[in-house]
Amino acid sequence: AQSVTQPDIHITVSEGASLELRCNYSYGATPYLFWYVQSPGQGLQLLLKYFSGDTLVQGIKGFEAEFKRSQSSFNLRKPSVHWSDAAEYFCAVGGITGGYQKVTFGIGTKLQVIP
Amino acid sequence: DGGITQSPKYLFRKEGQNVTLSCEQNLNHDAMYWYRQDPGQGLRLIYYSQIVNDFQKGDIAEGYSVSREKKESFPLTVTSAQKNPTAFYLCASSTRQGVSNQPQHFGDGTRLSIL
Repeated sequence: AQSVTQPDIHITVSEGASLELRCNYSYGATPYLFWYVQSPGQGLQLLLKYFSGDTLVQGIKGFEAEFKRSQSSFNLRKPSVHWSDAAEYFCAVGGITGGYQKVTFGIGTKLQVIP
Repeated sequence: DGGITQSPKYLFRKEGQNVTLSCEQNLNHDAMYWYRQDPGQGLRLIYYSQIVNDFQKGDIAEGYSVSREKKESFPLTVTSAQKNPTAFYLCASSTRQGVSNQPQHFGDGTRLSIL
């Protein structure tokens, strides 16, 4: 069974500081990995995705993530955080189960940005 | 612009009442999904549909029902059998069901509360 672990439920960073959100996954084959962001009361917006190839993927809003197969990780990074980045971030792994696309989401990491 | 429209944004249910959440997409996507989001639990899959007139139960289908009469529409009914319906409900869609590398696109959600 596929699963996702986001070990940090809540993170606080200062504006301008660097950010790394952790994500570990479990999946039997080559994983398809996603990071989504959710602002309060809104739906989820795709930040970036990894399917294959280059293990460092670039996304929107200046975010990037690195796939490390040996560590089963797909951590999200941003070199300099802006106040508008305050939101909840979800890591997800996609796979085929019973013939349909099943996406399993982590429980999310809530990011607070302080001045 | 194409997207997913969920309505209403807020919904209140009385005891013993069925309520229906609307989800419409104009992305020409084949697959559609309903998720329930509770604080600290991430997203949990309620129902999914790969094509018109076909749908399957997800992980927490009890107390819910769906229909897929049109490609664009996937309404969710929360029945009186769902004893704890208070949650944020998200509808999503994706292309080419069965291809696990396609990201899901999300609506802005409906927040359901008990009166």
